[in-house]
Amino acid sequence: AAGVIQSPRHLIKEKRETATLKCYPIPRHDTVYWYQQGPGQDPQFLISFYEKMQSDKGSIPDRFSAQQFSDYHSELNMSSLELGDSALYFCASSLTPTRQVFHGYTFGSGTRLTVV
Amino acid sequence: AQTVTQSQPEMSVQEAETVTLSCTYDTSESNYYLFWYKQPPSRQMILVIRQEAYKQQNATENRFSVNFQKAAKSFSLKISDSQLGDTAMYFCAFRGSGNTGKLIFGQGTTLQVKP
Repeated sequence: AAGVIQSPRHLIKEKRETATLKCYPIPRHDTVYWYQQGPGQDPQFLISFYEKMQSDKGSIPDRFSAQQFSDYHSELNMSSLELGDSALYFCASSLTPTRQVFHGYTFGSGTRLTVV
Repeated sequence: AQTVTQSQPEMSVQEAETVTLSCTYDTSESNYYLFWYKQPPSRQMILVIRQEAYKQQNATENRFSVNFQKAAKSFSLKISDSQLGDTAMYFCAFRGSGNTGKLIFGQGTTLQVKP
């Protein structure tokens, strides 16, 4: 079965550089979520998109932006990178609940970003 | 705002024994979803079990079962016949009833299964 695809798997950037992370959701899933997980920490919600529109926003720095495209893939753009941005970035996708039943999330394997 | 609390940062259990991981949450919603996720060293997020709040019966998945106490807002995970492969970080997570609801994670519990 198709899974959520994230690219790249690993990324090393220097301070003040920019990075773009990509997420390809499960076919037919209409919602994409981005999470940031620092070392030894729980995942923190950054932002989500439903039908290509931003649906919710969490603790996402102003230096970050994201969008969802017509093919439903999403990109997280990170600028002026700081050492503290080093983390695992997860993408997850889901389908809008039908008859009030939520069918679950599918997580990608994550992009490990290291800022040096 | 919803919160999820896991008060056990680390736990250990002998292989083949049973262990229970605790989770409490806070919400004003009456319909929601609760999850337990496993994150092994590979850091892949793997769904262990889920519970719909409107269901009174506790969910079970093979060796994994939950004790869902809605009034107490408690959602513990019991792992029976623990195996070495169960060694991982375990996250309790909450999703509200909204159509585009995000997951809210607890702080995680690191479980070590000892031979």
